[in-house]
Amino acid sequence: KAGVTQTPRYLIKTRGQQVTLSCSPISGHRSVSWYQQTPGQGLQFLFEYFSETQRNKGNFPGRFSGRQFSNSRSEMNVSTLELGDSALYLCASSLVGGARSPLHFGNGTRLTVT
Amino acid sequence: DQQVKQNSPSLSVQEGRISILNCDYTNSMFDYFLWYKKYPAEGPTFLISISSIKDKNEDGRFTVFLNKSAKHLSLHIVPSQPGDSAVYFCAAEYNNNDMRFGAGTRLTVKP
Repeated sequence: KAGVTQTPRYLIKTRGQQVTLSCSPISGHRSVSWYQQTPGQGLQFLFEYFSETQRNKGNFPGRFSGRQFSNSRSEMNVSTLELGDSALYLCASSLVGGARSPLHFGNGTRLTVT
Repeated sequence: DQQVKQNSPSLSVQEGRISILNCDYTNSMFDYFLWYKKYPAEGPTFLISISSIKDKNEDGRFTVFLNKSAKHLSLHIVPSQPGDSAVYFCAAEYNNNDMRFGAGTRLTVKP
């Protein structure tokens, strides 16, 4: 069974630009969550999608948005990039979401904003 | 708001000894707790979990203890192996809301 796939693995962008990250969940998983990992901050929850609907949202500005398609694939978009957006962005999928259904993470997209 | 805290950024133990990783939380509504392990250049992988109705859960060399009154949980690894060297994240959730993670503890197991 293929794992969670995130593309691209690395991205370098400049301030003010926008970026789109992609995530393909494990087949059959309907919940997709996005996390931002920065040194010392651990994993910060961005949002969760289930059946194409955003079900939960973390405390990030509106520049961070996402969507989920009918095949459960998900994209995350960050507009007007800031230096502080440099981080590892992790996507995770689970069968139905919630802690009782453990998250399966992708290897992440490393975003560097210069 | 850091509702889940891992106050030790790093821990070093000798192979064969016990590793104890600690985690504190502030939200008494959390009812499910998990530990994830992360190797460099890989995403975190689920390790073990515990429901708030229990105080201990064991899976092979890994045991998680929950002390609800102290709002504290710990992960014990016995015996520790060099392959256990990784970053360990504690996570908590309630009512199927977003999962909160700690900042992680880097465990180094020396041969």
